[in-house]
Amino acid sequence: EVHLLESGGGLVQPGGSLRLSCAASGFTFSSYAMSWVRQAPGKGLEWVSGISNSGGSTYYTDSVKGRFTISRDNSKNTLHLQMNSLRAEDTAAYHCVKGVSTYYYYYGMDVWGQGTTVTVSS
Amino acid sequence: QTVVTQEPSFSVSPGGTVTLTCGLSSGSVSSSYYPSWYQQTPGQAPRTLMYSTNIRSSGVPDRFSGSILGSKAALTITGAQADDESDYYCVLYMGSGSFVFGTGTKVTVL
Repeated sequence: EVHLLESGGGLVQPGGSLRLSCAASGFTFSSYAMSWVRQAPGKGLEWVSGISNSGGSTYYTDSVKGRFTISRDNSKNTLHLQMNSLRAEDTAAYHCVKGVSTYYYYYGMDVWGQGTTVTVSS
Repeated sequence: QTVVTQEPSFSVSPGGTVTLTCGLSSGSVSSSYYPSWYQQTPGQAPRTLMYSTNIRSSGVPDRFSGSILGSKAALTITGAQADDESDYYCVLYMGSGSFVFGTGTKVTVL
């Protein structure tokens, strides 16, 4: 069974940094693209960032470009999201999501983790 | 900034049929956007229902179906059940590795 477990969330002041991690199990991690999707309290879903199966290609929504960095360690089946210069509007639950297909990144997202909560506040 | 539009809410009777749509603020949705659909109940992580327009995710019953209707992607629920009461989100692949989620539709079964 596919399992994704996020960690690293918490309370941080504006301008601060956090590093989220996602431990993956139950599938061949190195074969699938991965994404981070967030949901602000009471709001809808927002795709934040994606990474190819090898880690060689990374993608970001405009609002986090230059502030967030996605990475993966295929030897440890782990996905990361380094978040710098955090803003109040980054407050959300962050979900780690497995890609649908080993071949087609654009097929999108498949299995979701339960999420880790990030709160940016002074 | 591209906005992916969905109906804010829908109400359907048990056993009834409802079709949710996913459009673009500018332009038409085609299969080249590889539309996907997700279901989310309060307090839970989303569940993937459909990807690449009409491919059901593992374990999703066939009363959920996906299509392109006119200029929009569509998710049809046939024979609605009480546990279909959820928020539904579409997502479109916008190219260059990026995705944009729709605004979401709240479905009530009553």
